Amino acid sequence: GAVVSQHPSWVICKSGTSVKIECRSLDFQATTMFWYRQFPKQSLMLMATSNEGSKATYEQGVEKDKFLINHASLTLSTLTVTSAHPEDSSFYICSAQIDREEETQYFGPGTRLLVL
Amino acid sequence: AQKITQTQPGMFVQEKEAVTLDCTYDTSDQSYGLFWYKQPSSGEMIFLIYQGSYDEQNATEGRYSLNFQKARKSANLVISASQLGDSAMYFCAMREGPNTGFQKLVFGTGTRLLVSP
Repeated sequence: GAVVSQHPSWVICKSGTSVKIECRSLDFQATTMFWYRQFPKQSLMLMATSNEGSKATYEQGVEKDKFLINHASLTLSTLTVTSAHPEDSSFYICSAQIDREEETQYFGPGTRLLVL
Repeated sequence: AQKITQTQPGMFVQEKEAVTLDCTYDTSDQSYGLFWYKQPSSGEMIFLIYQGSYDEQNATEGRYSLNFQKARKSANLVISASQLGDSAMYFCAMREGPNTGFQKLVFGTGTRLLVSP
């Protein structure tokens, strides 16, 4: 149980285009998902907390208009990198928590984004 | 200030030996949770073990055990009988405050473990 998937696993795009990354909880419902960013050889940095049916909560320094998060259902959250630039190239990874009592976060396999 | 500190950027261990990965944390909360995750080269984050601040016994999960020393604010991961497949990055993470819902994790900088035959 507690499987989280991400799609696509990697994407290459031209500067200026928008890229959408999907995060799905496959065998449980997740009212809250988390989006992280990881640069090479660095740790994970939380970007935002995605809440089903409401606006995402962004961490300080993360541009809301740049990284659009939509949590449309209990099993799907999407991260859209708008007008991507080379500095947005990174590894994006989502996680989900099963419920309030089981506090372990289960992570998706991640998405590698390369912006040319 | 760093919330989670992993002082070992890299560790080497021979197959079948035990290895300890260090993690210290900084919090003023009485209630918190500590996690260890493994990240292979493929990138996925694999949950290994969890320790709650009020848990009196050290957590164990198979070959993984967490050496929790609350007074020292350390939560070291011990891997017994290392296997070649244990080669990966290992991250220590903390959830601060009481578990009242969905709360974010703060991660350390990670330790790269290499297991040699």
